Formats: sequence, C-alpha cells, structure tokens
Amino acid sequence: AQRVTQPEKLLSVFKGAPVELKCNYSYSGSPELFWYVQYSRQRLQLLLRHISRESIKGFTADLNKGETSFHLKKPFAQEEDSAMYYCALSVAYNTDKLIFGTGTRLQVFP
Amino acid sequence: DTAVSQTPKYLVTQMGNDKSIKCEQNLGHDTMYWYKQDSKKFLKIMFSYNNKELIINETVPNRFSPKSPDKAHLNLHINSLELGDSAVYFCASSQGNSVQHFGDGTRLSIL
Repeated sequence: AQRVTQPEKLLSVFKGAPVELKCNYSYSGSPELFWYVQYSRQRLQLLLRHISRESIKGFTADLNKGETSFHLKKPFAQEEDSAMYYCALSVAYNTDKLIFGTGTRLQVFP
Repeated sequence: DTAVSQTPKYLVTQMGNDKSIKCEQNLGHDTMYWYKQDSKKFLKIMFSYNNKELIINETVPNRFSPKSPDKAHLNLHINSLELGDSAVYFCASSQGNSVQHFGDGTRLSIL
C-alpha cells in the first residue's frame, strides 16, 4: 500500500539554523512527490514538487528513489517559515489522488 | 479572484443535526476533493469527483454525502452529526497534474 511517513511531529529550531523535514514514502512505481505548507489558520498551498526541481522560499527537496525519501531542506530558517508542512505522494495510476503524510510542525524561534 | 472558496468558514452545531458545506472553484478544474483534517492535523481524503462523477470514495460513513451539481461545485452534506465529526474540512480542486488548490477550510464544531 502507498504510504507517506513524516517521522517528526514537531521540529523546533532557532532563526538562522538549518532545517531538514524528513519524508519517506512507500510505493513501488514511479512516484510524484510534493511538499505542501499550511501557515497558521491559512489554507494548504503547494510549496514545491519534485519534478520542478526548483527552490521556493529557500526550500529545496530532492527525490532519492534509493532511500525512498523526499526530505525538505533550508540552510537558514526564518521565523516566517513556522508552519505545518505536509509531504504528499501522487501515484501513477491515479494521478489526481494525493496521499498525505501526518505533517510536521516547524517552529522557528527568534 | 480565482480560487477555491468554501462556505461557511465556521460551523457550530449540535449533535444529531444535519448540515452542509459548500465549495466552488472558478479555476476551470475538472476534479474536486473533500479532505478532513482532525485535531492532530492529520489530513485525509474523503471524496473526489471528476466532471461530476465520483472517482474516490474513501472509507467514510454514509452519513457523509457529497453532491456535485456541476464541475465547479462540490458540496458536502452531513447527516446526524456526531462529536467525532468535529474537524476542519478542506475542499480542493485540480486539473490533471496532481497540483491541488485548496480552500480556506470550514471549521466544524459539534456541541
């Protein structure tokens, strides 16, 4: 069965520290991976997707098929990065269905 | 504004009541979804419609009935509300490329 695992419920760092939010997936086919972000009391919005291979708000994520991971990284965290981050998997045979991880709350302290 | 909009934003009601949440998107997308986000922030898909046809129906009690009058609307009707239905319900839409656009959410509180 397809599954997305985000092992950390909460990640707390100080401003300027590096951040890595972990995401592992379980899927035997060709996955499409996403990171969605939800700022306090706001809607979920797409942060980035692996096929775009771009950096958004200083965040990057590389798909590692060998380790089945799609960790989200930022070298220097900012206070405004504090939010819930969800990793999501789209499977090839049902391209519009997203399977979300349980989310990681990132807290960036001043 | 092009967006996914859902109403109401807040819904407070008593156990046993029947309520509806409406969702509309003006993005021209063919597919719409309902998600439930529980108190632990776990986000799980409930339903998905493509061009008014049900394509995803996760294990949701049949007290929940989605209705799609046209591809721009996907409403969620809930009968006999229970305490466990308290959650934030998100509507979303997409157009074949997996990127989903979400509404602001409806916070449902059951007394």
